Amino acid sequence: DVKVTQSSRYLVKRTGEKVFLECVQDMDHENMFWYRQDPGLGLRLIYFSYDVKMKEKGDIPEGYSVSREKKERFSLILESASTNQTSMYLCASSLSRGTRAETQYFGPGTRLLVL
Amino acid sequence: QQPVQSPQAVILREGEDAVINCSSSKALYSVHWYRQKHGEAPVFLMILLKGGEQKGHDKISASFNEKKQQSSLYLTASQLSYSGTYFCGTETSYGKLTFGQGTILTVHP
Repeated sequence: DVKVTQSSRYLVKRTGEKVFLECVQDMDHENMFWYRQDPGLGLRLIYFSYDVKMKEKGDIPEGYSVSREKKERFSLILESASTNQTSMYLCASSLSRGTRAETQYFGPGTRLLVL
Repeated sequence: QQPVQSPQAVILREGEDAVINCSSSKALYSVHWYRQKHGEAPVFLMILLKGGEQKGHDKISASFNEKKQQSSLYLTASQLSYSGTYFCGTETSYGKLTFGQGTILTVHP
């Protein structure tokens, strides 16, 4: 079974802090994704990566950056956290680049509260 | 642009049927369906591919109208375990999904 893990289930940070959310997958997947989930808005894509050191902006990248130094690990960085970044953050991975209709496997999520 | 799901919420009794719709304004290669239970990660249910091939779940079916860029998820003889939020994800470029806002399904005994 594919396993996607996220470093924290709950996180409380102060406005202006730098925040790191970590995601690790254990199935040698090439693609990794970061979403945020808000009530009534569904899942919205922040950034994704098709390979190590590669990243592409999703639909709502403002205020976020990412890092992928190793294939299995994808980090989401909030350079200066703000209260409007309070949300549930979900990481996902899928098998291979260049093919369509790949199932995405999700981690359990990190609920971030910015005070 | 996010696909639009309807209805936003539906309440059923065990054994009843439900249909959840997903509509996009963009040309689609595939539509993915996921279910998320409260406090848990979304779980894959079904992929519908352009051209009609369908991959996924045994007890839940779906359709994909390529001309209208619409998909429907059919849940028949619902069970308590069907409760959760259902999301459609539409694929317009390689590997990237855009998800709808979700449909909350509640099944009562």
